[in-house]
Amino acid sequence: GAGVSQSPRYKVAKRGQDVALRCDPISGHVSLFWYQQALGQGPEFLTYFQNEAQLDKSGLPSDRFFAERPEGSVSTLKIQRTQQEDSAVYLCASSRDRRSYEQYFGPGTRLTVT
Amino acid sequence: DQQVKQNSPSLSVQEGRISILNCDYTNSMFDYFLWYKKYPAEGPTFLISISSIKDKNEDGRFTVFLNKSAKHLSLHIVPSQPGDSAVYFCAASALSSGNTPLVFGKGTRLSVIA
Repeated sequence: GAGVSQSPRYKVAKRGQDVALRCDPISGHVSLFWYQQALGQGPEFLTYFQNEAQLDKSGLPSDRFFAERPEGSVSTLKIQRTQQEDSAVYLCASSRDRRSYEQYFGPGTRLTVT
Repeated sequence: DQQVKQNSPSLSVQEGRISILNCDYTNSMFDYFLWYKKYPAEGPTFLISISSIKDKNEDGRFTVFLNKSAKHLSLHIVPSQPGDSAVYFCAASALSSGNTPLVFGKGTRLSVIA
């Protein structure tokens, strides 16, 4: 039905707080991606799931970043002990399967760390 | 080291004229290229794509050209309309190598002036 949804749309966190960002992919989409977009930059890859398996987490900037997709549908990106450099828009995208090139993006969560 | 480069941060075009957005890449493993359009406070929206086995793909007012030898692609919009005003991202994938994440350029902001 609907496209990719993300919540919250905006999050303000004090430095040191933990945050959790949610992504609801398009129903039935196997592949799910998280990207980070800093101001004035293009989206940069963080991590990738195929169903519930996290197949690539090479883009996660530090061990403070953790992502999960336990039932192969909804995914959560968690950032522990947030720092100012974590301020960015976090985008989630899904695609039909591993062989699909086109990824469909959600509106993103804008995280501001003060 | 940027693998996908959009060297023009912005472009202004008069309504009705052609808009040409350029993109260069460095990784010869990329085999699929996509253009995304992004409005403020929304996620990127897929626009058009091209496989490396082709040199042109057309969809309505949008045409993408690929020059593999030069590692260069361009997006042509004709005629340009005010609603085309947005940030356009070029993205590349090396899916045949098993790398599914998209690698994005920094984007070009297109302004179509009525």
